[in-house]
Amino acid sequence: EVQLVQSGAEVKQPGESLRISCKGSGYSFTSYWITWVRQMPGKGLEYMGKIDPSDSYTSYSPSFQGHVTFSADKSIRTAYLQWSSLKASDTAMYYCARQASGYDNDYWGQGTLVTVSS
Amino acid sequence: DIQMTQSPSSLSASVGDRVTITCRASQTISKYLNWYQQKPGKAPKLLIYAASNLQSGVPSRFSGSGSGTEFTLTISGLQPEDFATYYCQQSYTTPYTFGRGTKLEI
Repeated sequence: EVQLVQSGAEVKQPGESLRISCKGSGYSFTSYWITWVRQMPGKGLEYMGKIDPSDSYTSYSPSFQGHVTFSADKSIRTAYLQWSSLKASDTAMYYCARQASGYDNDYWGQGTLVTVSS
Repeated sequence: DIQMTQSPSSLSASVGDRVTITCRASQTISKYLNWYQQKPGKAPKLLIYAASNLQSGVPSRFSGSGSGTEFTLTISGLQPEDFATYYCQQSYTTPYTFGRGTKLEI
């Protein structure tokens, strides 16, 4: 069974750093890109970008380029989303998803809620 | 970026109804169009990929059509569990932008 399991909810202060994770199982982790999607409270889905776990090649949406970093450790089948300096506007649910061969996202993690507040 | 425009933004319907949601792309995307369903507090779920292909396990009352710039998602015979928010997404070129969603309410 394909599964993406994300790390738990985080509460951080502005300016702090954070890394959240997404662990894949039940499939060949290096054969599928991992996509990251943001959903701000009460809002729609926003595509952040993706990473190829086989070589850690990344593609960022211009809206997120420079503010977040994607990484992956294929030895432990885990992808990461990180911030070096959080802002209150980063408060959102973050989802990872597997990108299928048709570039759709066929399996999703359960989401990680990030709250940034002083 | 390619802009995806969904309509309507909200829709009221009844169990058993047939409903259609439209998604328009700001430029041609061939058939690189996906539809997702999201229920409150849950992750999105893939319904339709490549405009008209039903994802495994999704009921056949869901169908998709279109190509180029105009696409539709149709639900024939609404069931209580179908009341949710629906999103389209283009996967023709990065960033793979989403529509703003259509909330389907009873």
